[in-house]
Amino acid sequence: ILNVEQSPQSLHVQEGDSTNFTCSFPSSNFYALHWYRWETAKSPEALFVMTLNGDEKKKGRISATLNTKEGYSYLYIKGSQPEDSATYLCAFGGATNKLIFGTGTLLAVQP
Amino acid sequence: EPEVTQTPSHQVTQMGQEVILRCVPISNHLYFYWYRQILGQKVEFLVSFYNNEISEKSEIFDDQFSVERPDGSNFTLKIRSTKLEDSAMYFCASSEVFGVQETQYFGPGTRLLVL
Repeated sequence: ILNVEQSPQSLHVQEGDSTNFTCSFPSSNFYALHWYRWETAKSPEALFVMTLNGDEKKKGRISATLNTKEGYSYLYIKGSQPEDSATYLCAFGGATNKLIFGTGTLLAVQP
Repeated sequence: EPEVTQTPSHQVTQMGQEVILRCVPISNHLYFYWYRQILGQKVEFLVSFYNNEISEKSEIFDDQFSVERPDGSNFTLKIRSTKLEDSAMYFCASSEVFGVQETQYFGPGTRLLVL
């Protein structure tokens, strides 16, 4: 059974703080790692698709890194803003076309 | 920007009733998916669909579930006889190209409550 884990489960930070969270996934049969940002009552928004070991991707204040050999990815948010409050989901893509999701990290940014 | 839409946003039904959840994928996409999230649990894959056929399905996707693309725009998930444990948020997704390295675009979900 493929297991994808995220930590922490939830995080409360102050506006302006930088933060990061972790996604761990199987290091075998790796094809891709996806990050999504999900606000309640909205569609999960695709942030990054990462495929190569050592990949680093950036979108505004959000960036992500990938280590496929040890099976983890970090998501970083620089200078958190209240509008960054959401659940951040990672999803592992293996040999099939389905995504296997982690539990998510719920981020709350206090103004 | 094109987006995946789903209707209804919420549905309440009695155990044993049939429900149909509807999705309109992004118009030039060819690959379609259903996922669900039971409250407090992970988002889990149900089924993928391409060229009017199921490509892959999970163990959850038993004979009570079916999918259909009845016309050129809609993609539906039918649950024939709902059970209490079918209560969940159901997400539709679509992608332009095959392959897990491609982005899957998600709709906002339908929250199904079975009483």
